[in-house]
Parts: sequence; structure tokens; C-alpha cells
Amino acid sequence: EVQLVQSGAEIKKPGESLTISCKVSGYSFTNFWIGWARQLPGKSLEWMGIIYPVDSDTRYSPSFHGQVTISVDKSISTAYLQWSSLKASDTAIYYCARRGRGCNGASCYEVFDYWGQGILVFVSS
Amino acid sequence: DIQMTQSPSSLSASVGDRVTITCRASQNINNYLSWYQQKPGKAPKLLIFAASNLHIGVPSRFSGSGSATDFTLTISSLQPEDFATYFCQQSFTTLGTFGQGTKVEIK
Repeated sequence: EVQLVQSGAEIKKPGESLTISCKVSGYSFTNFWIGWARQLPGKSLEWMGIIYPVDSDTRYSPSFHGQVTISVDKSISTAYLQWSSLKASDTAIYYCARRGRGCNGASCYEVFDYWGQGILVFVSS
Repeated sequence: DIQMTQSPSSLSASVGDRVTITCRASQNINNYLSWYQQKPGKAPKLLIFAASNLHIGVPSRFSGSGSATDFTLTISSLQPEDFATYFCQQSFTTLGTFGQGTKVEIK
């Protein structure tokens, strides 16, 4: 069974650093890209970036480039999202998701087919 | 950026109703469109990919249609477990944008 299990909720102060994690099981970690998405309270979702575990090739959304760092540890099938200096505006739920493939007949499409349970990050002084 | 606009933002419906949600892209995205369902406090779940293809395990009362810029998600007979928020997402670009969501509430 494919599972993405994220670390627990975090309460932090502005300026603090933070790393949250996403441990996968049930499939070969290096075969699929992993994405990180942000959901602000009561809002829609935004992709922050994706990483390919084989070589750590990482693509960031322009809105998040330079604001966060995405990484992996292949030895423990875990992806990470890191902040060096949190802001109150980083308060949100953060999801990791596997970019798999959905196929119909001869065509296959990239889809985010399995998701972690989400991590609430609350930043306040 | 490709903008995705859903309508309505919310709707009230009864069990057994037919429900239709629309999603419009700001430019042609072919059929690179997915639909997700999200319940309160839970992660999104993939329902439909490539505009009209049901993901594994999704009930057949869900269907999707459309291409280019205009897309539709239809629930043929609303069930109690379908009350949730639905998002469209384009995958024409690598980090595809989501619509703002449509909340389906109980009438």
C-alpha cells in the first residue's frame, strides 16, 4: 500500500527555522517525483516545488523560489521542506504528494495520485 | 501563469441531486485537467485525470468532460459522502495551478 506519512504539527515563532518531512512507503521512492503544496487557511492549494529523488533535481514555483528548500534522503525514503526564517504568513497546511501516472489506453498523464495527511505549521509571536 | 476559475464557489444540493461544477482555464490546456475532492481536515483525493478519466477506485457517479479551456465535473446522483470541496488543477505546466474550489453543501 502506497503511503506518505508526514511529520506532526508545528508551532513556531517568526524568524525560526523549520524542517518538515514526508516519509514514503509501498513503492520505490526513486521512481516518482514528490511535490510539496501549500494550503492557506480556508483557501485553495498552490504547488511550491517538486523533486526527483534519484538525482535531487528540483523545480520551484517562482513564488517560493528562494523562500524554501526541498530535499530528499534516499536512504530513508523521505522528502523534506525547509525554511530558514519563518514568517507569520507561512502559517498554512503543507502537503506532500507523489506525482504518479494515470493512463488510459496508450496515453499516460502525470497526476498527483497519493498525498500525505498534511502538516499544520503555525507561526506567531 | 495559467489562471483556473471555478464556478460556482459554493452550492447547496440534496442527496440524489445531479451536480455540475465548471472550471475555465485562461488559455488552452488541451485535456491536462484533474479534479480533486477535499473533505475538512483531510488531504485532497484525485478523482479525475486528463479531463475525463476516472482515477482508480472512484465511483462511476463522478464524470468529467471538456477540453481546451472549458471543463466540467458532474456528480450524477449526490451521495452523503460527496459533501466536500472540489478543486480543478491544470497539469499543462509543471507546477500546475488550482482553481479556487467549489464547496458542495447539504441543502
